[in-house]
Amino acid sequence: AQSVTQPDIHITVSEGASLELRCNYSYGATPYLFWYVQSPGQGLQLLLKYFSGDTLVQGIKGFEAEFKRSQSSFNLRKPSVHWSDAAEYFCAVGAGNTDKLIFGTGTRLQVFP
Amino acid sequence: NAGVTQTPKFQVLKTGQSMTLQCAQDMNHEYMSWYRQDPGMGLRLIHYSVGAGITDQGEVPNGYNVSRSTTEDFPLRLLSAAPSQTSVYFCASSYAPGQGQYFGPGTRLTVT
Repeated sequence: AQSVTQPDIHITVSEGASLELRCNYSYGATPYLFWYVQSPGQGLQLLLKYFSGDTLVQGIKGFEAEFKRSQSSFNLRKPSVHWSDAAEYFCAVGAGNTDKLIFGTGTRLQVFP
Repeated sequence: NAGVTQTPKFQVLKTGQSMTLQCAQDMNHEYMSWYRQDPGMGLRLIHYSVGAGITDQGEVPNGYNVSRSTTEDFPLRLLSAAPSQTSVYFCASSYAPGQGQYFGPGTRLTVT
């Protein structure tokens, strides 16, 4: 069955520290992958996507992610976290021509000054 | 462009009532989806559409209907509201698979 796992429900980091949020997927076809961010009471904003090509993708707000097919992972990274990065982050995966997406359960990021 | 708009922002229903959540996009996107978001469960796909006149079920379609008569609009109908449908509902659209979906601001629905 198709699934997306975000193993960390809640992560706390200090401002300026590096960040890595984990995402693992199980999908039969070649996937396309996304990371979204959601601030409290808001909709979801696309941070970055992997569709094909270079497995290291750059996104907005200084985020990047690396697609590792052998590990079925698409981890999100940022070298130095800002207080404004505090939010919930969702990994999503899809395939084929319908644009149906499966979302992970999310990781809540808390940033301490 | 307004992007993806949803109305209403908040709604309270009594069990058994029906209502329609509105979703519209002005980006000429063919692909549209409805999700529900519940604490600890991420977003789950209710229904989706790949173009006007074409809809299909997602992961949790029971109790919901959709139609897509125009490219711009994709309303979600609750036929007979139940407390289990208390949730935040998001509409999203995209211009092609794999290119990323744009989300509306959401509708918070409470069923008592």
